[in-house]
Amino acid sequence: DTGVSQDPRHKITKRGQNVTFRCDPISEHNRLYWYRQTLGQGPEFLTYFQNEAQLEKSRLLSDRFSAERPKGSFSTLEIQRTEQGDSAMYLCASSVGQGAYEQYFGPGTRLTVT
Amino acid sequence: EDQVTQSPEALRLQEGESSSLNCSYTVSGLRGLFWYRQDPGKGPEFLFTLYSAGEEKEKERLKATLTKKESFLHITAPKPEDSATYLCAVQARPNSGGSNYKLTFGKGTLLTVNP
Repeated sequence: DTGVSQDPRHKITKRGQNVTFRCDPISEHNRLYWYRQTLGQGPEFLTYFQNEAQLEKSRLLSDRFSAERPKGSFSTLEIQRTEQGDSAMYLCASSVGQGAYEQYFGPGTRLTVT
Repeated sequence: EDQVTQSPEALRLQEGESSSLNCSYTVSGLRGLFWYRQDPGKGPEFLFTLYSAGEEKEKERLKATLTKKESFLHITAPKPEDSATYLCAVQARPNSGGSNYKLTFGKGTLLTVNP
């Protein structure tokens, strides 16, 4: 079990640029989640997928954010026209099974918008 | 809306000094309560899942308990390597016909254990 991996680990970009992050879940985990965490706060839910279907999106996910999981395996999160307020840690998690199963988190991608 | 409040925000202990962290929650129907540990610059690491009031789980020096309104994480004889932020999260039961797997987190308790 290699765990959830995320790439890149760090990203510095200028305001107005587009960025894309990748998440590889634990193999055979059918659910994949994206969260955002700012300093001193707990993770906030953004969206989740069951296989390739995006089943829920948070109000936090503005039109500039889009997520995909095209083959039900890895996922990408794209932020268009980045703003300074987008600076945060973007966390990916995965889980398997029905009900209240634990979610396993990756190491996160730290985004800094200058 | 689901809410999770953790206290204290920060806790400083001497090695061997036992204490408890609190997690108060409001949720329409609890499916599960989760405890995670997070080290600086890393993703949260899963510790426990609790499902119903009265349930307890233990792992090494940690013990988690659950009531209908709150959960406690008891730390017995902590060591410096227990220093981390401890996060509590809830998952609500879905409304009829819906699905819900998102976690709602508290802000966490920053625990520092001095040698």
